Amino acid sequence: DSGVTQTPKHLITATGQRVTLRCSPRSGDLSVYWYQQSLDQGLQFLIQYYNGEERAKGNILERFSAQQFPDLHSELNLSSLELGDSALYFCASSFGTVQNTIYFGEGSWLTVV
Amino acid sequence: KNEVEQSPQNLTAQEGEFITINCSYSVGISALHWLQQHPGGGIVSLFMLSSGKKKHGRLIATINIQEKHSSLHITASHPRDSAVYICAVLSYNTDKLIFGTGTRLQVFP
Repeated sequence: DSGVTQTPKHLITATGQRVTLRCSPRSGDLSVYWYQQSLDQGLQFLIQYYNGEERAKGNILERFSAQQFPDLHSELNLSSLELGDSALYFCASSFGTVQNTIYFGEGSWLTVV
Repeated sequence: KNEVEQSPQNLTAQEGEFITINCSYSVGISALHWLQQHPGGGIVSLFMLSSGKKKHGRLIATINIQEKHSSLHITASHPRDSAVYICAVLSYNTDKLIFGTGTRLQVFP
């Protein structure tokens, strides 16, 4: 058990819809990272938050947004969903701003139909 | 060309065999991680390396910074080692993780 909690574990939704994925980091960790793993692209970094502030951005689409709340949990919002957004979305956390030690959540499987 | 390349992409082995998975990268790095992803999807960190060699049970990871290459070895492989093994490098310039596409290992009894 990594200590990183993600919900929901599985989600099926229709094209055009909006979903929210939630992540609770390990106790004491201040950074939260979001990753997307699709069949054809492998793992890709989306975005990082550190202590409530956006820290780094990767290949995140404009239809996607994230935030980190005062209790340090984070949400990834995916809107105007397309079939190609079907993927496994991982959250990870670390204490500092650099991901020297990786703790991943179990992932949220998103299927867009 | 990907910044992190893994080989082979797929690997099958008989139980007991010695297995090697390779990772080459083209960027400057602060550290390199080996990750294991089981069919259920969860990802576990196996090693973090910045130099030399580390061993944990039947797993050994090595890195050659000059050659920008790392290897993951599994001795006396077992069916429960069947998983996808992913190499990830922490870019020195961007502090971001860059992932290889993974090596799918199947070990048969």
